[in-house]
Order: sequence, then C-alpha cells, then structure tokens
Amino acid sequence: DAKTTQPPSMDCAEGRAANLPCNHSTISGNEYVYWYRQIHSQGPQYIIHGLKNNETNEMASLIITEDRKSSTLILPHATLRDTAVYYCIVSGGTSYGKLTFGQGTILTVHP
Amino acid sequence: ETGVTQTPRHLVMGMTNKKSLKCEQHLGHNAMYWYKQSAKKPLELMFVYSLEERVENNSVPSRFSPECPNSSHLFLHLHTLQPEDSALYLCASSLWDRPYEQYFGPGTRLTVT
Repeated sequence: DAKTTQPPSMDCAEGRAANLPCNHSTISGNEYVYWYRQIHSQGPQYIIHGLKNNETNEMASLIITEDRKSSTLILPHATLRDTAVYYCIVSGGTSYGKLTFGQGTILTVHP
Repeated sequence: ETGVTQTPRHLVMGMTNKKSLKCEQHLGHNAMYWYKQSAKKPLELMFVYSLEERVENNSVPSRFSPECPNSSHLFLHLHTLQPEDSALYLCASSLWDRPYEQYFGPGTRLTVT
C-alpha cells in the first residue's frame, strides 16, 4: 500500500473551514484514499473515501488532485468536537481490510 | 445497543491469567477486525475475519487467539501475556465487500501486570 505524508499538527478557529492535506505520491491506480479520525480515548471514526473524483458527505469533503498524488480533507465549519487526530490512508491494494494508520495530523480547533 | 460494542472497557490481568475480550457489532456487517494501539504507536492490524473465516493474521504471537463464532461476534482470547502487551485493543467491522470502510468500537484498555 502507498505511503502517506501528513503535517503533524494544525490549528483551526471554530466555525472556519479546516483543510487537512495529505501527500500520497506513490499511489497506484486501484488504490483509494481514506480518511479517518480518532478523538482522544475513542476508536477511530471513518470519515470519507475517494478514488479520483471529489467526494462530499455529511461530515466532510475530499478533494483529490488530478494526478492523485495528493488530497485535502475539508471540514467546512469546524467545531470544538472536531479536535482529533486525522489519518489519511491509502488502501485497496494487496492486503484485504488492512488499514495502515500512520502518525496522522493532530487538528486542534480553537474557540 | 448500536454500532460496535466492546467488553470489558478496562481489564487488568496478571501474566499467568487467561481472559477474553468480546466485540459485538449491530450494523449487519460480515467482516470483523482486531487492532492493537500501544502508547505513542500507530494502530496495528492483528486479525481479520471475513464471512466468519480468518483471512489475515499479521504475525501476532500465539498468546493472542481470535475467535469469530458468527458475523456479529468476535473474541480475542488472551493467555500468558507480557507487560508489553498492555495497550488499547480495538475491534472494527465492515461489509465484506467494503473492507476499508470500517466502524470501530470504543476499545478495551488492557493492562498486564
């Protein structure tokens, strides 16, 4: 599975959009980009995933560049409850169900 | 109950004890997973079951033994653990044909003394 690179931490003001970047330059054609988050002391939570088109659901939007080498998760109106570690994961390769969690980005939403 | 539940939420056990962790999912899923999250380390996939058959075993020591009696339940049997096995053990479930869209339980915090 492709490796991902994320900034270790980011800050965002409450009510503003949070834009979390992820680089995955070695992604292969059949691999998807998945985003999860983990709020302190809880299990990870699935957010969204995509292959090459932009995706939106009730939680977030996912923008994938045309070359698929990077993506951005957008939380349109961040709240204090969005403070969490956000993981960008590239999967869909050879290992069934294997989500490789890296260090992620610690997003802190400030009042 | 909704979602994925895990019991117990906290467990302290000695190295000679035998205990079991239980996971139950109420989402109609048919694939289940065990992960380990040690302090300051990323989550590590331990076991994968799809349609009640084990499909992945990621070099986990034999002192951890999984059991999946049906698509709603998953157990992790523990025996003769080491202190370094202290961690948060997370269970997840998914549909078998969407294995990367997983829904996690709250975890069991295990301390081995």
